[in-house]
Amino acid sequence: GAVVSQHPSRVICKSGTSVKIECRSLDFQATTMFWYRQFPKQSLMLMATSNEGSKATYEQGVEKDKFLINHASLTLSTLTVTSAHPEDSSFYICSARDHLAGGAQYFGPGTRLLVL
Amino acid sequence: AQTVTQSQPEMSVQEAETVTLSCTYDTSESDYYLFWYKQPPSRQMILVIRQEAYKQQNATENRFSVNFQKAAKSFSLKISDSQLGDAAMYFCAYRSAYRGSQGNLIFGKGTKLSVKP
Repeated sequence: GAVVSQHPSRVICKSGTSVKIECRSLDFQATTMFWYRQFPKQSLMLMATSNEGSKATYEQGVEKDKFLINHASLTLSTLTVTSAHPEDSSFYICSARDHLAGGAQYFGPGTRLLVL
Repeated sequence: AQTVTQSQPEMSVQEAETVTLSCTYDTSESDYYLFWYKQPPSRQMILVIRQEAYKQQNATENRFSVNFQKAAKSFSLKISDSQLGDAAMYFCAYRSAYRGSQGNLIFGKGTKLSVKP
């Protein structure tokens, strides 16, 4: 199957700093990418949907100024957690849709964020 | 809005036995996709099986098969000859096939499957 990479896999930062997470589709073009957040022992919660070249669509309750999403190319989307606080600590997962493969959706390995 | 319900928070199966994980969903749409994803301890989401709603035939992938009952809005996953590597969280997911939708996956809360040696 297709591969989606995420970088970094793990990050520890101080409260107040910003953290950028990259999501790349390695062998296909993804016009649509999704960002999820997952708390321990819980399901994936969709944060936002990003379409290449346009603004992301955020789910209700997700602060767009807090979680900046950029999808500047067909293979790269970034999530920036601005002024991170301990409550932002979580597991963030990206997913990319391959429209040429019947819309199959592939997931990245996730990024564990710990804000001290 | 569509919802996905997994009523079994945890399940256990003996190695080499068969187990069925339940999933029901609610939608007013007629065309959609259903998925089962596996999330092992590594937390990498892995697609197990996929079903198109317009297909009457149940999807099968090796030891994994589904029982898709469209009228009942039920989509259960059967794992045959369970292996230790099958131990994971299993998520049922729905995706609209409607052209105007964003196409995001709607997940159930998951079922934690344990496999006993």
